[in-house]
Amino acid sequence: ELKVEQNPLFLSMQEGKNYTIYCNYSTTSDRLYWYRQDPGKSLESLFVLLSNGAVKQEGRLMASLDTKARLSTLHITAAVHDLSATYFCAVDGVWSGGGADGLTFGKGTHLIIQP
Amino acid sequence: GAGVSQSPRYKVAKRGQDVALRCDPISGHVSLFWYQQALGQGPEFLTYFQNEAQLDKSGLPSDRFFAERPEGSVSTLKIQRTQQEDSAVYLCASSIQGADGYTFGSGTRLTVV
Repeated sequence: ELKVEQNPLFLSMQEGKNYTIYCNYSTTSDRLYWYRQDPGKSLESLFVLLSNGAVKQEGRLMASLDTKARLSTLHITAAVHDLSATYFCAVDGVWSGGGADGLTFGKGTHLIIQP
Repeated sequence: GAGVSQSPRYKVAKRGQDVALRCDPISGHVSLFWYQQALGQGPEFLTYFQNEAQLDKSGLPSDRFFAERPEGSVSTLKIQRTQQEDSAVYLCASSIQGADGYTFGSGTRLTVV
């Protein structure tokens, strides 16, 4: 069974600081997603990581994938209040050894950035 | 359409009532997924369609849950005899088969009272 674990689950940080969210998963997969969710809203796609060593950056967010370690990271640089949200990583079951359909999500990291 | 459309946006049901939730995927998207998101949790897979074929329904929590996509476009998730534990946001997502991502709808927030 594919399992996805995120940590931390809750993070409060100050503007201007850097931090990293970690996403570990239990079976091999070559496809990992990061989503943002604001309260009461749906999921907004941030990054799709398609291969080992993939690194993508958008503004103050950078995501990477290490398929050998079964680890993805989401790094926040010089955080600003507007980045406050819940961030989910998700592994695509079709591309994992488990052969499951659809995405398996972590529990999410609730991020609060204090001005 | 431009995005995945779900309706209703909110639904309050009395316990024991049947409900039907609708998903209108992006035109041309072959794959359609339903997820259930409980408060404070990540979405959990319910079921998957490829065109009109339901290829995986392993995530449906009980036989009270039923999904269909008869013409390979619009899908309906039906919950019979709703229970309080069914209260959640139900998300629909669609994708072009083999493409790089999934587009999620805004969800239906179901509250069973």
